[in-house]
Amino acid sequence: GAVVSQHPSRVICKSGTSVKIECRSLDFQATTMFWYRQFPKKSLMLMATSNEGSKATYEQGVEKDKFLINHASLTLSTLTVTSAHPEDSSFYICSAEGHTQYFGPGTRLTVL
Amino acid sequence: KNEVEQSPQNLTAQEGEFITINCSYSVGISALHWLQQHPGGGIVSLFMLSSGKKKHGRLIATINIQEKHSSLHITASHPRDSAVYICAVRSNGNQFYFGTGTSLTVIP
Repeated sequence: GAVVSQHPSRVICKSGTSVKIECRSLDFQATTMFWYRQFPKKSLMLMATSNEGSKATYEQGVEKDKFLINHASLTLSTLTVTSAHPEDSSFYICSAEGHTQYFGPGTRLTVL
Repeated sequence: KNEVEQSPQNLTAQEGEFITINCSYSVGISALHWLQQHPGGGIVSLFMLSSGKKKHGRLIATINIQEKHSSLHITASHPRDSAVYICAVRSNGNQFYFGTGTSLTVIP
């Protein structure tokens, strides 16, 4: 079946640095990918919709300059958390739209 | 009020029991998803429904569009079914809404 990968699976960084997370659809092309954030013991929160070849659409309250999204090809979307702070520590999940929604395994970001 | 409500929030069952998790939503939808999240975080999409009923192994998902309600059933539950089950809907306006999840523990 279709698989979506994320890299890295875990990242620890210092406050002030930027972190890039990749989301790849491995055996299908996805014009649309989604980025979610999950806080402990909470459900997923949609952050933005990533459209190949155009600007991402951000949900209300999500800072587009803080969370940069690039969907450069039909199989790759990247989320860059810029100038990360401890409050950005979270579990970030992507999904790609194929026949259905396929979810990535998630990336655990810890900002010290 | 959340657009998607799940019940119960937590569920403990003995191995072999029949389990039902419920999901109600308040928006018009184009599709409803049932997701499974194991400890460690990875999410697996179990079902996508827009009408009727789907079955995959021991899992059955049903949806009643008129009543805006869906159920996920697990037959002959097993400890490896222990996970968080999340109901998610895609609205007619193309928005995604997620339930807060049902944490299932199946005891041997």
